[in-house]
Amino acid sequence: RKEVEQDPGPFNVPEGATVAFNCTYSNSASQSFFWYRQDCRKEPKLLMSVYSSGNEDGRFTAQLNRASQYISLLIRDSKLSDSATYLCVVMDGGFKTIFGAGTRLFVKA
Amino acid sequence: DTEVTQTPKHLVMGMTNKKSLKCEQHMGHRAMYWYKQKAKKPPELMFVYSYEKLSINESVPSRFSPECPNSSLLNLHLHALQPEDSALYLCASSQEGGNQPQHFGDGTRLSIL
Repeated sequence: RKEVEQDPGPFNVPEGATVAFNCTYSNSASQSFFWYRQDCRKEPKLLMSVYSSGNEDGRFTAQLNRASQYISLLIRDSKLSDSATYLCVVMDGGFKTIFGAGTRLFVKA
Repeated sequence: DTEVTQTPKHLVMGMTNKKSLKCEQHMGHRAMYWYKQKAKKPPELMFVYSYEKLSINESVPSRFSPECPNSSLLNLHLHALQPEDSALYLCASSQEGGNQPQHFGDGTRLSIL
């Protein structure tokens, strides 16, 4: 079993749609969780940190479920510019960092 | 514009060459990271420095040699690389203490002939 698993997609959605991604992790001792987006041939960019209480940034909402060991990302009112690969990241309490394989999103007009 | 700067942007080298990748950050971060990313794959952690000391080496072959001359600079020295080492090499930095979000440079695209 991989340490961090994501559905690779692709997710093809129309503009304005709501789309959700999940990411599961195997190490119950994992402590920090993040979502990054990566555009083709670019570097990963931090989208948001993920907390058990949930956090929202505009159209984006992230949630952590420690009991079931998954994190989620919800994108509302999708824009064409949201097309990218979304990577979940898990850290173990120190510096060890594991990326999920990424979920590709295509938003179409 | 990224606050983590990597040079060069592109590098082509032969298997017998020696070259270095450079990374610089001016965010006052005390942790710096090297990642390798192959096409259509996620970044894979190679090395982590914390307070200029090597904290993590993810069993990386010795043909990759990291160096952290000061808290703002991180180098990756390359020698006798193999064609399978062709990849995007990403540098990142974060605040100290672990568990912090990382900020990435835009990478060096490396091709080994």
